[in-house]
Amino acid sequence: NAGVTQTPKFRILKIGQSMTLQCTQDMNHNYMYWYRQDPGMGLKLIYYSVGAGITDKGEVPNGYNVSRSTTEDFPLRLELAAPSQTSVYFCASTDPGSGANVLTFGAGSRLTVL
Amino acid sequence: AQSVTQLDSHVSVSEGTPVLLRCNYSSSYSPSLFWYVQHPNKGLQLLLKYTSAATLVKGINGFEAEFKKSETSFHLTKPSAHMSDAAEYFCVVSSFSPGSARQLTFGSGTQLTVLP
Repeated sequence: NAGVTQTPKFRILKIGQSMTLQCTQDMNHNYMYWYRQDPGMGLKLIYYSVGAGITDKGEVPNGYNVSRSTTEDFPLRLELAAPSQTSVYFCASTDPGSGANVLTFGAGSRLTVL
Repeated sequence: AQSVTQLDSHVSVSEGTPVLLRCNYSSSYSPSLFWYVQHPNKGLQLLLKYTSAATLVKGINGFEAEFKKSETSFHLTKPSAHMSDAAEYFCVVSSFSPGSARQLTFGSGTQLTVLP
C-alpha cells in the first residue's frame, strides 16, 4: 500500500544512547517532515526536507539530526537521548505540486527515554 | 508569521447531537487551512481542506468547516455525532512566506468525546 512507513513503532532508550527513526515513502513526494507530538502541545516541526540532499531546521531541532540521500527516505537521528525527547514522532510527506500541501502521515514512533 | 488557536482542549457531546470544534488562525499571507483527525495510537488523517475556493468545505464522514476571513475562523462542525467520531482533532494553517518552503502550524488539538 502506498504511504509513509515508520520504524520502529515503539522503542525504549537509556539516557545517552543513540538511535535512528526510519521513515520511507513510496509516493515520490519531494517534501518530507519530522514532527514530535507531546500531550496537549499539538505537533512541533523538528526538521523538514524539500528534496534529496536538502534539509532544514524546524521549530525544535536541538538534539536531532536528519539526512535525505534519496527521495524516499528521511531518517531522524537522536545522538544522545535525553528524557525530554520522550515523545511520539511522526514522519509526513507531501507533493508541493499538488498545491494544497496535504500531508500524508506515518503511524508514528513512540519513544521513551529513561 | 502564523498561528492557530483551538479554543477548546476537550469537547464532550452525546451521540446524535451536533459537534462544533472551534479554530481561529492568524496568517500574514493567504492561508490554506486543514482539519486532521487522529484516532488513538494512529497517525493523522485529513478530514478536509480549504484552499481559497468555496468557503464552505465538506470533508469525510459528514464533517464540514466554514472559512470566515472576517472572523479569522475555521470551525469544524458535524450535524450528528457518532461514537466513531471520538478522537483528537487538529486545525492546521499553511502559508508560503517569501524565500522559504511552505510552513504548516498545528493547533494544540481538541479531544472529542462522544457519550452514548
